[in-house]
Amino acid sequence: EAGVVQSPRYKIIEKKQPVAFWCNPISGHNTLYWYLQNLGQGPELLIRYENEEAVDDSQLPKDRFSAERLKGVDSTLKIQPAELGDSAVYLCASSLGGQTSTDTQYFGPGTRLTVL
Amino acid sequence: GNSVTQMEGPVTLSEEAFLTINCTYTATGYPSLFWYVQYPGEGLQLLLKATKADDKGSNKGFEATYRKETTSFHLEKGSVQVSDSAVYFCALTEGGYNKLIFGAGTRLAVHP
Repeated sequence: EAGVVQSPRYKIIEKKQPVAFWCNPISGHNTLYWYLQNLGQGPELLIRYENEEAVDDSQLPKDRFSAERLKGVDSTLKIQPAELGDSAVYLCASSLGGQTSTDTQYFGPGTRLTVL
Repeated sequence: GNSVTQMEGPVTLSEEAFLTINCTYTATGYPSLFWYVQYPGEGLQLLLKATKADDKGSNKGFEATYRKETTSFHLEKGSVQVSDSAVYFCALTEGGYNKLIFGAGTRLAVHP
């Protein structure tokens, strides 16, 4: 079974440029998550989708970040414009779904963003 | 708010040594507790979990027991291998809501 797929794996851009990250979750997983992982820290949730609906985007900086999950499968996370402080690893995860706190999340390899 | 605190790394051990990585948490309600591992160049993988007090999670020789009285979930392994070198993250989910809150991670380096 294929795991969570993310692309690109690495991205280098100049500040003020836009950037987009793509995630394909595990087949059949209804819940999709985007996390931000700064160097030397644990991941922090940016947004969570249940199917097409963003049910928790309280940590997403909405002035420059946006996300979508059309048709409830793939998802795209966008930053426009990027700032130096956005340099980090962006992780996508998926799970079967539901509100249970024991629903295991499976993570992709992440996209490492460097903003120059 | 809910939080997780892990011992700082890096932890450096010789092969076959005993491993303990401390993890304590602060939470309202009854969280589920997790250990994730991140091998070099790979994504986070669930290592083990425990969903209620006194539960013991185990996998690949690693163990952790959910201790409500001390709010701890320490990771242990009796004999580490070089292949265990990775970053280990302790995490919790708030009751009834699948939002993972991670600790800062502990880097483990095992030498032959």
